[in-house]
Amino acid sequence: GDSVTQMEGPVTLSEEAFLTINCTYTATGYPSLFWYVQYPGEGLQLLLKATKADDKGSNKGFEATYRKETTSFHLEKGSVQVSDSAVYFCVRGGGGSNYKLTFGKGTLLTVNP
Amino acid sequence: DVKVTQSSRYLVKRTGEKVFLECVQDMDHENMFWYRQDPGLGLRLIYFSYDVKMKEKGDIPEGYSVSREKKERFSLILESASTNQTSMYLCASRRGQTYGYTFGSGTRLTVV
Repeated sequence: GDSVTQMEGPVTLSEEAFLTINCTYTATGYPSLFWYVQYPGEGLQLLLKATKADDKGSNKGFEATYRKETTSFHLEKGSVQVSDSAVYFCVRGGGGSNYKLTFGKGTLLTVNP
Repeated sequence: DVKVTQSSRYLVKRTGEKVFLECVQDMDHENMFWYRQDPGLGLRLIYFSYDVKMKEKGDIPEGYSVSREKKERFSLILESASTNQTSMYLCASRRGQTYGYTFGSGTRLTVV
């Protein structure tokens, strides 16, 4: 079935460091891809999305590019801030008539001042 | 601002009780979903509904049922609560396939 594999955490960085969180997905169909963020004590928020191959989603300094050839959607940010500390989820849309989203397990990011 | 509202932030219920978790969205979205989130297991889909009165089982429907009588409201029902249903429950909705979900803030349910 559909699956998403993302890098296990926790990830601990210093402020202004470069962030990469790896994510790969199963390739059946033509899914949309998403990154969600969950700040402590809150629900999930959509961070960015890409709906087709070679699309780049971006928001708040975060970027991810839909790579069909490597079935990847890695999240990157050039300079993290303490306020970026959260859990990040890579998510695969169902594609076609499949309504489900498939979530990765989440990666906890802690940014220290 | 668009919203998904879950009726309770925290709930404590006794084993064997019937529990209703309510979710309301104000965006006229067709699709609505219930997930539970547990440490180490991530988010798991319980049930979803792609339209009024329509429902489909997700990955872990056992012990749960749902109701969608109106487009804006999607209820999750625990017929007889058990301690292994202690979890964070997240409701979400979306307009269509290429759109992201909008999530509610979650209900943390403890069954004692």
